[in-house]
Amino acid sequence: DQQVKQNSPSLSVQEGRISILNCDYTNSMFDYFLWYKKYPAEGPTFLISISSIKDKNEDGRFTVFLNKSAKHLSLHIVPSQPGDSAVYFCAARDDYKLSFGAGTTVTVRA
Amino acid sequence: DGGITQSPKYLFRKEGQNVTLSCEQNLNHDAMYWYRQDPGQGLRLIYYSQIVNDFQKGDIAEGYSVSREKKESFPLTVTSAQKNPTAFYLCASTIGFRLMNTEAFFGQGTRLTVV
Repeated sequence: DQQVKQNSPSLSVQEGRISILNCDYTNSMFDYFLWYKKYPAEGPTFLISISSIKDKNEDGRFTVFLNKSAKHLSLHIVPSQPGDSAVYFCAARDDYKLSFGAGTTVTVRA
Repeated sequence: DGGITQSPKYLFRKEGQNVTLSCEQNLNHDAMYWYRQDPGQGLRLIYYSQIVNDFQKGDIAEGYSVSREKKESFPLTVTSAQKNPTAFYLCASTIGFRLMNTEAFFGQGTRLTVV
């Protein structure tokens, strides 16, 4: 049973615009949330994270929002750049284990 | 440079054979993990290890085995009992178990194909 869900398998956005990636989770024991970026045939690289005690964390062009009551997480990328084209995974931690969503493929159009 | 090294990058296996995927880290991390990625799916946890000489099954451990004899190394063996082994395998490590605000670092992955 998938505890972390990314319901949009793909997202296409114009360069310079905002990309919004969404993630829903079911396990209320998750205490830490992360976003990873992945290129084909490579390992994921860490982007940004947020603790369950916060509702927002910002790092440059990347902002993660957490709505605990809705069990919803989102990643905003502003402005989107061609190098942002990749697969983005949402992950959530429960004690020892990181659970991942299925990923959203982002394509940034020139 | 510190990091996680997985080898080989590509691996071909005949049906019925066991193969071992290597994972080495020089980050001095205590915890190590193996994930599997299939198309259209997220990363699924196979095994994890908190410390040397200890490891636990993840969500999809059947058909796999691991060892943790050294802190730096966490090899994964894909046995003939694994029914669908063709996938992309990722090794990861974290600085510690249950520590707050620490991300997992990943290797570059091994693409295993059964021929």
